[in-house]
Amino acid sequence: EAQVTQNPRYLITVTGKKLTVTCSQNMNHEYMSWYRQDPGLGLRQIYYSMNVEVTDKGDVPEGYKVSRKEKRNFPLILESPSPNQTSLYFCASRPSGTSGYNEQFFGPGTRLTVL
Amino acid sequence: QKEVEQNSGPLSVPEGAIASLNCTYSDRGSQSFFWYRQYSGKSPELIMFIYSNGDKEDGRFTAQLNKASQYVSLLIRDSQPSDSATYLCAVSGGYNKLIFGAGTRLAVHP
Repeated sequence: EAQVTQNPRYLITVTGKKLTVTCSQNMNHEYMSWYRQDPGLGLRQIYYSMNVEVTDKGDVPEGYKVSRKEKRNFPLILESPSPNQTSLYFCASRPSGTSGYNEQFFGPGTRLTVL
Repeated sequence: QKEVEQNSGPLSVPEGAIASLNCTYSDRGSQSFFWYRQYSGKSPELIMFIYSNGDKEDGRFTAQLNKASQYVSLLIRDSQPSDSATYLCAVSGGYNKLIFGAGTRLAVHP
């Protein structure tokens, strides 16, 4: 089954404690991205990766890091989380190319609370 | 700042009626337009995409695009309670970015 998986699904943590949210896809997609979703603001892109070792900032990258050492994995790292990073996070993957958005899959989401 | 605007709703329609969801966008260079459905607590799911002016139909769903007016809409015919969800409009002007609206909440009541 084609899917994007995220772990953990729910996380409550405290300010300043480093955390990593993992994302993995089994569709051999080149393009992966991270979004956060906040009420009234919709989905906003944090970082994206066009392929292994190629990453770039999205619209709201401050306070986040990513890496893409393998094609299937795209972890999101919060080195010093703050309460304003409390949000619902989605990982997504799609094939490369202009029609790739037609086949974009989202992971199930990670609800993060930073106290 | 490129923007995608949607009425937050809720849009309430009776079962069997046509639901009309609207979206405007600010970037005239936008080329691809998408509608996602998101049930409460779930991830967004792509239901329609449209590239050219006019209408595109898929089952009970019709996407309409008017690039001159920078307007895209989604019609849901014969609305069912299972259609109750938040509908996200998304616009792509380039290879690497998809801009989402905040979504319109649709409630279909029996």
